Amino acid sequence: EVQLLESGGGLVQPGGSLRLSCAASGFTFSDYAMTWVRQAPGKGLEWVSAISGSGGTTYYADSVKGRFTISRDNSKNTLYLQMNSLRAEDTAVYYCAKPISPLYAFDIWGQGTMVTVSS
Amino acid sequence: SYVLTQPPSVSVAPGQTARITCGGNNIGSKSVHWYQQKPGQAPVLVVYDDSDRPSGIPERFSGSNSGNTATLTISRVEAGDEADYYCQVWDSSSDHPGVFGGGTKLTVL
Repeated sequence: EVQLLESGGGLVQPGGSLRLSCAASGFTFSDYAMTWVRQAPGKGLEWVSAISGSGGTTYYADSVKGRFTISRDNSKNTLYLQMNSLRAEDTAVYYCAKPISPLYAFDIWGQGTMVTVSS
Repeated sequence: SYVLTQPPSVSVAPGQTARITCGGNNIGSKSVHWYQQKPGQAPVLVVYDDSDRPSGIPERFSGSNSGNTATLTISRVEAGDEADYYCQVWDSSSDHPGVFGGGTKLTVL
């Protein structure tokens, strides 16, 4: 079964850091680009970042560029999101998602991990 | 950056047809994907590449895309279709290519 499992969320103070992980199983992880999508409480979906299968190409939303870093370890089938200089507006459920390559339609989603930025 | 515009809400009676639009500049030239999200759950892909359905998605869900508007059509609407629906494109010409519409709340009357 294809599965994504996020972890690493929690409560952090403004200006703090957090690293999210997304463990993948059931597919050849390195064959797929991966993405992070977030959803603030009561709000819509917001695309955050994406990374190519090899890890050599990355993309970021303007709202997180320079603060967040996406990476992956294909030997561990794991996707990461390092979040620095966190702000209250980063409070959201963070999902990792796998695309139907090469269309970047996301057919598999994790259950999400909640990040709360508050003092 | 590319912008997708959806109506905030659509209401439909059971058994009728719901149409949810997604507007964007020349969106007909892009591949549009649609997601259903129920409260407390992760999104589910219901239509991809304008009109294809993933396995397990009922034929009642269909999509079209032309000009400046893409449309998700749900035929014979059921109570269980009540959810938020989001359109999405991948704007490969952009440095930040992932784009979601603002979402549409489908209410089944």
